[in-house]
Amino acid sequence: ELKVEQNPLFLSMQEGKNYTIYCNYSTTSDRLYWYRQDPGKSLESLFVLLSNGAVKQEGRLMASLDTKARLSTLHITAAVHDLSATYFCALANFGNEKLTFGTGTRLTIIP
Amino acid sequence: NAGVMQNPRHLVRRRGQEARLRCSPMKGHSHVYWYRQLPEEGLKFMVYLQKENIIDESGMPKERFSAEFPKEGPSILRIQQVVRGDSAAYFCASSLRLEAFFGQGTRLTVV
Repeated sequence: ELKVEQNPLFLSMQEGKNYTIYCNYSTTSDRLYWYRQDPGKSLESLFVLLSNGAVKQEGRLMASLDTKARLSTLHITAAVHDLSATYFCALANFGNEKLTFGTGTRLTIIP
Repeated sequence: NAGVMQNPRHLVRRRGQEARLRCSPMKGHSHVYWYRQLPEEGLKFMVYLQKENIIDESGMPKERFSAEFPKEGPSILRIQQVVRGDSAAYFCASSLRLEAFFGQGTRLTVV
């Protein structure tokens, strides 16, 4: 059974600082996603990572994937208040989009 | 191309009543996934359907819950005899092959 763990669960950061969210998973998968969720809202897709060594960047967020270590990271650079949200990683089954989600990381950016 | 449409957005039911949640996938999408999100938790897979077929219902509670995706019309998640513990956000996602798109969710409150 695929298990996905994220850490930390809660993260308070000051504006302008850098930090990293970690996503570990237990078995192989061919796609890893990062999502953002604002309170009371749906999920916004941020990144999809397909292969070992994949790195994607959008603005202040950068995601990477190490399939050998079964680890993905979401790095936040020079955080701003607008990035406050809950971030989830999720892994897909081979051949379909049944997703197993991590526990989520609630990120709060403090001015 | 409209996104994944879920209705109602909010639903209040008394204990023992039935709840029906609807999901219209994106145009052309033939795969539908239902997820449940309990307060302060990640999303948990419930069921995966294609038109007129249940492909994977491994996440569905054994009793009171059912899902369908008829040839015509939206996918329906039905919860009979709701209990307080059913209070959650229910999200639907649709895909054509890979990459799922999420609806806005239905927030069910059982009183």
